[in-house]
Amino acid sequence: SQTIHQWPATLVQPVGSPLSLECTVEGTSNPNLYWYRQAAGRGLQLLFYSVGIGQISSEVPQNLSASRPQDRQFILSSKKLLLSDSGFYLCAWNQGLITEAFFGQGTRLTVV
Amino acid sequence: KQEVTQIPAALSVPEGENLVLNCSFTDSAIYNLQWFRQDPGKGLTSLLLIQSSQREQTSGRLNASLDKSSGRSTLYIAASQPGDSATYLCAVYMIYNQGGKLIFGQGTELSVKP
Repeated sequence: SQTIHQWPATLVQPVGSPLSLECTVEGTSNPNLYWYRQAAGRGLQLLFYSVGIGQISSEVPQNLSASRPQDRQFILSSKKLLLSDSGFYLCAWNQGLITEAFFGQGTRLTVV
Repeated sequence: KQEVTQIPAALSVPEGENLVLNCSFTDSAIYNLQWFRQDPGKGLTSLLLIQSSQREQTSGRLNASLDKSSGRSTLYIAASQPGDSATYLCAVYMIYNQGGKLIFGQGTELSVKP
């Protein structure tokens, strides 16, 4: 069966520090991968999605970047965090256009 | 631009009551619609997926309907239980550039009182 792993679960980082959040999927190949952010009291905002290795599409200009070095690995990064980067980050995957999407357990990022 | 709206934003009901959560979307060019549950501080759990060609899906006490032409979906929860307390999110899946994306509503926060 397919599973999605996301870590760390919580993270407290100072302003200006770098960030690396990792997401991996098991039990499938060539998944579509997504990074979402959920700010307090707000809905989910799509940040990046990827349909294959090295293929990244960005939804909104921001302080973050994403990479897909392997088929089932999706990494969210920042060189210098801002206070506004605080939030709940969720990784998700699905297979093709009409299949169910599955989410990881999320990373709670607090920038101080 | 696709916009997804969920009404009500919050709902409190006594245990055992049947209830309906509403989701509407402005662009009917969707591939599917998915309902999720989110417990506080947790990720999203998929409840039901309805393909654009389908009218409804059922899983246990949950029934979701889709009327694509009118841009509406409902999630029906029968015989609600305190364990159903959570935030319920609907999302539509759309083609975008070379891939696709889920566009979410703001959610309905459900509280079921014992």
